[in-house]
Amino acid sequence: NAGVTQTPKFQVLKTGQSMTLQCAQDMNHEYMSWYRQDPGMGLRLIHYSVGAGITDQGEVPNGYNVSRSTTEDFPLRLLSAAPSQTSVYFCASSYKASGGRGYEQYFGPGTRLTVT
Amino acid sequence: RKEVEQDPGPFNVPEGATVAFNCTYSNSASQSFFWYRQDCRKEPKLLMSVYSSGNEDGRFTAQLNRASQYISLLIRDSKLSDSATYLCVVNLRNYGQNFVFGPGTRLSVLP
Repeated sequence: NAGVTQTPKFQVLKTGQSMTLQCAQDMNHEYMSWYRQDPGMGLRLIHYSVGAGITDQGEVPNGYNVSRSTTEDFPLRLLSAAPSQTSVYFCASSYKASGGRGYEQYFGPGTRLTVT
Repeated sequence: RKEVEQDPGPFNVPEGATVAFNCTYSNSASQSFFWYRQDCRKEPKLLMSVYSSGNEDGRFTAQLNRASQYISLLIRDSKLSDSATYLCVVNLRNYGQNFVFGPGTRLSVLP
C-alpha cells in the first residue's frame, strides 16, 4: 500500500512553460485535493475532486487545471507557468472515518516547483 | 481576519516540558477539527482528530470549545522527536470536505 504518491519531487520551469504534476492513491479514497504551500501561509486549496469525473475549484484555482478520469489519479496541470506559482504542491486523498472523526486526509510527499 | 489563526511561534522548550498550542477559527459552521504535524520539508501528517468532548492520545490532548471557536493541543513530557510544525485544520462541511489550514506553529524541543 503506497498511499499517496506524487511525481516529480522537484521541477524547475521557465515562465510560460506548461507541465503536469502527477498524483496517485491506492487507498480507494473518494476525495482528492491539490494544495499549495507558501512560506508563512497555511496550505491553500487549488482544486479538489469528490469522485471520478467530478472536480471543483478551491481557493486559488487560477492558472491550474485538473481532471479525474479514475479514482486513483488526479493530475494537476499548470497551463502557463508564472513565478507566482513557485511553491510546494501537495496532493491529498481523504475518506470519511468512522466514530465521528470526520474526513481524514493523507498527503503525498510534495512537489517543489520553481518558476524562473 | 484569517479563517484559522494559530499562535505565531516558534516555541522553544526543553525536553520534558508541557507545551500548549492554541487555535481559533472564524466560521461558526465549522464541523470537524484536526491537528496535523509537519516536519521540515515533509508532508503534513494527521496527528489527531478533535472531538467535542476532548480527546487524548498518549501524551497529546486536544480540546474543542465551540462557543469560543477555539481548539487547543497539549503535549506533555515533550520529546526531541516532537519538534515539528503543528497545523490546526478545520473542515467547514459536515458532508463532504472544505478543509482550511492554519499557518502552523513551529515547536523546537531542546535537549
